[in-house]
Amino acid sequence: KQEVTQIPAALSVPEGENLVLNCSFTDSAIYNLQWFRQDPGKGLTSLLLIQSSQREQTSGRLNASLDKSSGRSTLYIAASQPGDSATYLCAVKFETSGSRLTFGEGTQLTVNP
Amino acid sequence: KAGVTQTPRYLIKTRGQQVTLSCSPISGHRSVSWYQQTPGQGLQFLFEYFSETQRNKGNFPGRFSGRQFSNSRSEMNVSTLELGDSALYLCASSPTNWGSYEQYFGPGTRLTVT
Repeated sequence: KQEVTQIPAALSVPEGENLVLNCSFTDSAIYNLQWFRQDPGKGLTSLLLIQSSQREQTSGRLNASLDKSSGRSTLYIAASQPGDSATYLCAVKFETSGSRLTFGEGTQLTVNP
Repeated sequence: KAGVTQTPRYLIKTRGQQVTLSCSPISGHRSVSWYQQTPGQGLQFLFEYFSETQRNKGNFPGRFSGRQFSNSRSEMNVSTLELGDSALYLCASSPTNWGSYEQYFGPGTRLTVT
């Protein structure tokens, strides 16, 4: 069964800290992996998309890495700010699943001023 | 380019009623997927349409159905609503239903069943 797991489920850090969110998946035959941000009661905001042939993607203070062979991805957030508080979701597009994205349960991040 | 739009944004229905939600994909995108998000189950795939045909289906009862029109707009219908159907329903579009294209999500429809 193709599954995506995110650790930790929740994280609380003081402002300014660098932090790492983890995502693991059970099948290395993937097209791509996306990281999303979701604010309470809102939809999904796409942060970074990593294709299966790429090792990492960067956008501002965000850096996502992908190790397909080990089934792992990390989202690194530098110099965290209170505005980064949200739930972060990892989603994998497996090669055998058409357009379907398989989501992890998310990491709820709180950045304290 | 306009993003993915979903209507209505909020909806309140009573148990036993039916509901229809609409999704307009990004212009030129032909694949539309639907997801349900609940606090207990997270984000779960409902179904995907490409070229007016359902190509992929998640593990949901037959009360959940959908369709896609020739302009790629999609609707999903839930009949005989249950309290557990209260959720955020998200649709996503992409140019096609295969390969490594990015999925673009709409803002969602918040359905509350009372």
